[in-house]
Amino acid sequence: DAGVIQSPRHEVTEMGQEVTLRCKPISGHNSLFWYRQTMMRGLELLIYFNNNVPIDDSGMPEDRFSAKMPNASFSTLKIQPSEPRDSAVYFCASMWILGGPGNTIYFGEGSWLTVV
Amino acid sequence: AQTVTQSQPEMSVQEAETVTLSCTYDTSESDYYLFWYKQPPSRQMILVIRQEAYKQQNATENRFSVNFQKAAKSFSLKISDSQLGDAAMYFCAYRRLTGGGNKLTFGTGTQLKVEL
Repeated sequence: DAGVIQSPRHEVTEMGQEVTLRCKPISGHNSLFWYRQTMMRGLELLIYFNNNVPIDDSGMPEDRFSAKMPNASFSTLKIQPSEPRDSAVYFCASMWILGGPGNTIYFGEGSWLTVV
Repeated sequence: AQTVTQSQPEMSVQEAETVTLSCTYDTSESDYYLFWYKQPPSRQMILVIRQEAYKQQNATENRFSVNFQKAAKSFSLKISDSQLGDAAMYFCAYRRLTGGGNKLTFGTGTQLKVEL
């Protein structure tokens, strides 16, 4: 299996620019998560989807952040406009919910974002 | 709300020796999952081991084993015959069995150094 695929792996952008991070979950998985990792705050859940529907976006820091999942095999996390404090590693993760509690969450390799 | 605490920011172990990483958690739930994830310098989050709270038997995966003490809400990771490749940040994580959206709550991590 290919695993969770994220792109880009690294991105350096200037403050004020739009950033789009992409994720392809593991085939067959029906739940998708976006996490952010920083030194100060550790690993934070930003948003998650079940069957392409956003379930909980309470972790999204502010309106500059938005996430979509147009189909079962693709999701995006967009930051517009970006700020230096958005610099972090952004992880996408997926799992298969077996009609109930589900199984293990698998992570992508992360997207390293630096906003200068 | 569930919380996960890792009280050891850093640990060191000699190659071939055994090391134990500590984790405690707080929950009012009776059924849940616990995980240990490894994060090497590449930043990828790699699942090490998983424990279902309803199982009394401690999980093992090759050189990795856990000591799960449900009453004490403790979930430590033991690494036997430590290898240089084990050097990484280790995160303990909790997930509810039902409800809660299947999201993981992470501890702050323990940085493991393996010395020759």
